[in-house]
Amino acid sequence: AQSVTQLGSHVSVSEGALVLLRCNYSSSVPPYLFWYVQYPNQGLQLLLKYTTGATLVKGINGFEAEFKKSETSFHLTKPSAHMSDAAEYFCAVSGAVNDMRFGAGTRLTVKP
Amino acid sequence: DAGVIQSPRHEVTEMGQEVTLRCKPISGHNSLFWYRQTMMRGLELLIYFNNNVPIDDSGMPEDRFSAKMPNASFSTLKIQPSEPRDSAVYFCASSLDRRGAGPGELFFGEGSRLTVL
Repeated sequence: AQSVTQLGSHVSVSEGALVLLRCNYSSSVPPYLFWYVQYPNQGLQLLLKYTTGATLVKGINGFEAEFKKSETSFHLTKPSAHMSDAAEYFCAVSGAVNDMRFGAGTRLTVKP
Repeated sequence: DAGVIQSPRHEVTEMGQEVTLRCKPISGHNSLFWYRQTMMRGLELLIYFNNNVPIDDSGMPEDRFSAKMPNASFSTLKIQPSEPRDSAVYFCASSLDRRGAGPGELFFGEGSRLTVL
């Protein structure tokens, strides 16, 4: 079975600062890894995903994540935070069969 | 193209009543998922279907919960009888999964907020 752990339920950054949201995974099979974002009163939207190939994955809104097998990590970064990035972010893992499991989420606050 | 459509958006009911949540997946998608979101437990996978067949229902909390997918364009999640601890936002999501291509992107509905008094 797969699972993910997100380190830090709340992260606060200043506008323009680096965003780093941490995710570690556990999987007995090669994992497929995802980051989703949830805005208030909405469903989740895909930011980016890692399946195979290049370990640095670029997503929408300037976000990217790097798959590090040796560290079992898939941290999400963005060089410069924008006020509109304030939301809840979920890391997720799936096997070849789509049984996607989500982490507990990290709420990102962006201060002006 | 319309996204995943869920109804009702909000439901307030009394303990012991039956609750039915409905979902229409994106046309052409072959996998459908029901998730429950609460502050305490986060986002939990309840059940997922592939080609209308339930694949894994190990996340269904107990026998009070049941889910069906009678055809490719409709699914229901039923709680009978409902209890206050079932209060949560229930999300339906669908995806197009191709054999050998790994899991497809999940597209989520806007959720059904259930309050059981």
